[in-house]
Amino acid sequence: DAGVTQSPTHLIKTRGQQVTLRCSPKSGHDTVSWYQQALGQGPQFIFQYYEEEERQRGNFPDRFSGHQFPNYSSELNVNALLLGDSALYLCASSLEDRGSDTQYFGPGTRLTVL
Amino acid sequence: GQNIDQPTEMTATEGAIVQINCTYQTSGFNGLFWYQQHAGEAPTFLSYNVLDGLEEKGRFSSFLSRSKGYSYLLLKELQMKDSASYLCAVRWENTGFQKLVFGTGTRLLVSP
Repeated sequence: DAGVTQSPTHLIKTRGQQVTLRCSPKSGHDTVSWYQQALGQGPQFIFQYYEEEERQRGNFPDRFSGHQFPNYSSELNVNALLLGDSALYLCASSLEDRGSDTQYFGPGTRLTVL
Repeated sequence: GQNIDQPTEMTATEGAIVQINCTYQTSGFNGLFWYQQHAGEAPTFLSYNVLDGLEEKGRFSSFLSRSKGYSYLLLKELQMKDSASYLCAVRWENTGFQKLVFGTGTRLLVSP
């Protein structure tokens, strides 16, 4: 049973550039959430995708956008990168279910902006 | 607000028991999760509480009191590999059913 996968593992960009991060959910899951985790902090919710639409969004600027594909995989795009965007970007998948719908995390993408 | 409070750091010795507390705002509460995160790795799901009481899973247990806005994670028979950050995450109805709000995490150091 494949877990959540993310690519790339590490990425180095310079200020002003754009980046795309990718996520494949755990087998059987249909919902993908993205989080940003700065060093020494807990993950911060960016947004969530379900049925190929952004269902909910956290306090992040429009520079952060995303997409979900028919196979439930997802992309996170960040435009006009700032130094402060350096962080671990985590993807979490879950199954739409108003029970526990636990979110399971992928290994993350470590983004460094120089 | 959506503040979640948990201690920044705790230390314990191998074989001991440690309790990590988490407090949160009670209004609109709709579930609490505990995750373990080793340095440089992704959070790993430990437990989920939505009703009052104790959930036990092997060496780990999690307790919830909804009226007090309080949870704890209890780790028994500590092992060196339990050295990690422990994240408390809460879901509130009024901020969206699926959005998890995380605390800053409690860094646990287990010494021999």
